[in-house]
Amino acid sequence: GQQVMQIPQYQHVQEGEDFTTYCNSSTTLSNIQWYKQRPGGHPVFLIQLVKSGEVKKQKRLTFQFGEAKKNSSLHITATQTTDVGTYFCAGKSNFGNEKLTFGTGTRLTIIP
Amino acid sequence: GAGVSQSPRYKVAKRGQDVALRCDPISGHVSLFWYQQALGQGPEFLTYFQNEAQLDKSGLPSDRFFAERPEGSVSTLKIQRTQQEDSAVYLCASSLAPRNIQYFGAGTRLSVL
Repeated sequence: GQQVMQIPQYQHVQEGEDFTTYCNSSTTLSNIQWYKQRPGGHPVFLIQLVKSGEVKKQKRLTFQFGEAKKNSSLHITATQTTDVGTYFCAGKSNFGNEKLTFGTGTRLTIIP
Repeated sequence: GAGVSQSPRYKVAKRGQDVALRCDPISGHVSLFWYQQALGQGPEFLTYFQNEAQLDKSGLPSDRFFAERPEGSVSTLKIQRTQQEDSAVYLCASSLAPRNIQYFGAGTRLSVL
């Protein structure tokens, strides 16, 4: 079945440093979504990417979808303590199935 | 309410006990999803409804798991004869229509002793 892996599993950064998490799918995706989950919280939708090579920005966050629609990345510039949490990518397959396959997640901690 | 509501927030069950978890989706949302999230892991798909029709139940781990959405709104996930490995957070999500953004509830944390 479809598998979605993320690296790194954990990332500790000094406040103000940049952060990047990478997402790789075993199969081609129709779209990819990114979620943020705070400790003890639930996944909160951040963005959806649909087109091959698409790049979207939200303030300090930059999201990219690979040309082959099998990989994606999230980059945060100048991290802040409010960025703490686990970032998940989640992909939908090309076969019309509505289910999301979540990645393994990257847990970000910030050192003040 | 404005968001997806799940109840109870926490459930402690003795091994072998049956449990029922409730999800109230956002009003008017056609699609409803159930996910299981083990500690330190990403959510894993269990099942999906479009209105009252259960279109995909491929993620249900065993026949002890059963979900329903009889009137196309509230959904219930039932787990029979709970086992320790069923301990997890059960998340419900709804979306306005297929292919739309999924909004998650706060989840029900199930602990099986």
